Amino acid sequence: EAGVAQSPRYKIIEKRQSVAFWCNPISGHATLYWYQQILGQGPKLLIQFQNNGVVDDSQLPKDRFSAERLKGVDSTLKIQPAKLEDSAVYLCASSLIQGGEQFFGPGTRLTVL
Amino acid sequence: GENVEQHPSTLSVQEGDSAVIKCTYSDSASNYFPWYKQELGKRPQLIIDIRSNVGEKKDQRIAVTLNKTAKHFSLHITETQPEDSAVYFCAASRAGAQKLVFGQGTRLTINP
Repeated sequence: EAGVAQSPRYKIIEKRQSVAFWCNPISGHATLYWYQQILGQGPKLLIQFQNNGVVDDSQLPKDRFSAERLKGVDSTLKIQPAKLEDSAVYLCASSLIQGGEQFFGPGTRLTVL
Repeated sequence: GENVEQHPSTLSVQEGDSAVIKCTYSDSASNYFPWYKQELGKRPQLIIDIRSNVGEKKDQRIAVTLNKTAKHFSLHITETQPEDSAVYFCAASRAGAQKLVFGQGTRLTINP
């Protein structure tokens, strides 16, 4: 079974630039999560989708972050404009059902200069 | 909202000894407690989880215990091996919300 795919794996941008991350969950997984993991900390949930609907985006900085999962499969997370404090690894995860085991992708390491 | 505290932040043990990592949570409605292992530069992977209807769960050298009254749960690794070296994260969530709240992580080093 293929795992969760993410791209790009690494991205370096300057502050105030825009960036987008892509995630392809495990086939058939209805629930998709985006986490931000700052160095030395645990992952923090940014947004959770159930199919193409948002379940929880309470910790998403909506003035600069946006995410979509239009067809209920792939998802993109965008930051516009980026700040220095956005430097982190952005992890995508998926689960077959809500409350089920979450499988993580390899992450995208973002560096904002 | 839920808050998860994890201790210690770093732990160094001799190969073959046991390691224990502890977490406390704040939301008494939480009922799902997974543990993830993250090797350097890799993705977090689930190693064991426990639900609040049980007090202990074992899988070979790994065990997790849960005390709902005290709102804490622990990861126990016995007969540690070098490949156990990694960062371990605990997490908690409540049914319905499914939102996992992670602890800060414990960097475990197994010394040969």
